[in-house]
Amino acid sequence: SQKIEQNSEALNIQEGKTATLTCNYTNYSPAYLQWYRQDPGRGPVFLLLIRENEKEKRKERLKVTFDTTLKQSLFHITASQPADSATYLCALSSGGYNKLIFGAGTRLAVHP
Amino acid sequence: GAVVSQHPSRVICKSGTSVKIECRSLDFQATTMFWYRQFPKQSLMLMATSNEGSKATYEQGVEKDKFLINHASLTLSTLTVTSAHPEDSSFYICSARDLGQTDEKLFFGSGTQLSVL
Repeated sequence: SQKIEQNSEALNIQEGKTATLTCNYTNYSPAYLQWYRQDPGRGPVFLLLIRENEKEKRKERLKVTFDTTLKQSLFHITASQPADSATYLCALSSGGYNKLIFGAGTRLAVHP
Repeated sequence: GAVVSQHPSRVICKSGTSVKIECRSLDFQATTMFWYRQFPKQSLMLMATSNEGSKATYEQGVEKDKFLINHASLTLSTLTVTSAHPEDSSFYICSARDLGQTDEKLFFGSGTQLSVL
């Protein structure tokens, strides 16, 4: 069956460190993968998109990698700040209309 | 950036009543909008894909007659939860893509917390 797996446990890190979040998937062949940030009681906000033919993408303090052989994406936040505390969701494109299927998300807590 | 407006943000209703949720793209056009449902600490589950001027496409296990979707214009889609029951209580979120952009990112509304008593 198709699955998208993200660490269900919260990730706690110290301010200034690099946070690394993992997204693994099975039985999908996505044309692209996206990462979103979601704050409590709010809709997700788009962060980065990486296509199947790209290995790495960067935007300011954010970096995403995509390994289609391992079926895995890693999401990095460097020089993390308490304001980065949120739930981060990975999403894969699937099927018609390029609908997005989401993982359950990983909650990140950055401590001062 | 593109904005998706969703109303109401919170609704409490009695069991058996119907609730309508609106989703508007404020500064862009969207032929396709997506409706998701999210239970606490769980993933967003895609319910249906709303297509302007045609019938919505529902995901497996989602009842078409219970969750009525109308996408009457390029900027408005509505989700009506008919004869709501307590098990329908959830966070409902709509999203859309900007036709004018070449990337595939989704813009999300702020969500509607539905509580059915």
